[in-house]
Amino acid sequence: DAGVIQSPRHEVTEMGQEVTLRCKPISGHDYLFWYRQTMMRGLELLIYFNNNVPIDDSGMPEDRFSAKMPNASFSTLKIQPSEPRDSAVYFCASSLLQGGNQPQHFGDGTRLSIL
Amino acid sequence: LAKTTQPISMDSYEGQEVNITCSHNNIATNDYITWYQQFPSQGPRFIIQGYKTKVTNEVASLFIPADRKSSTLSLPRVSLSDTAVYYCLVGDGNQGGKLIFGQGTELSVKP
Repeated sequence: DAGVIQSPRHEVTEMGQEVTLRCKPISGHDYLFWYRQTMMRGLELLIYFNNNVPIDDSGMPEDRFSAKMPNASFSTLKIQPSEPRDSAVYFCASSLLQGGNQPQHFGDGTRLSIL
Repeated sequence: LAKTTQPISMDSYEGQEVNITCSHNNIATNDYITWYQQFPSQGPRFIIQGYKTKVTNEVASLFIPADRKSSTLSLPRVSLSDTAVYYCLVGDGNQGGKLIFGQGTELSVKP
């Protein structure tokens, strides 16, 4: 099993640019989660999908953030325009079921730096 | 907004048993308690999960009292490679089961 795959692993860009983070969940998993991790706020859930449909996006910080899941094997998190305060590590995770009843499997994250 | 509460940091020595406690006062009736381990530059990794009483696997034990308002992760005979951040994950009963990570406990194992 390949695990959750995220790309790119590192992204450095200037403020105002569009940033797209990508995630391939584990095959067969029904749920996909996007998290953001910073020193100040720890791990925050941004949005999650069930069967490609967004269920809860209340953690998305602003309208500059958007996420899509066009099919069961691919999701994107987009920031447009990016700002320095968006600098963080962004994780994607997938699971068979929602909530604490099934473990979430995390990718290794994308370290995003906005200059 | 309900939260989980863990100690920010703990120190231990190789070979000792380490117990990390998480408080979760508003856990939902149907929710499980899950613990994750995170090394630098990696995503969190599942360690153990339980609903009540005690669960044990090859790496840890999880103790959950009857009221389920807290849980304790027990790591037997830790080694240097157990140095990591440990997160407690439960559903938040005030938000229909939405998951909230605890702030994490940074465990440092010394020789």
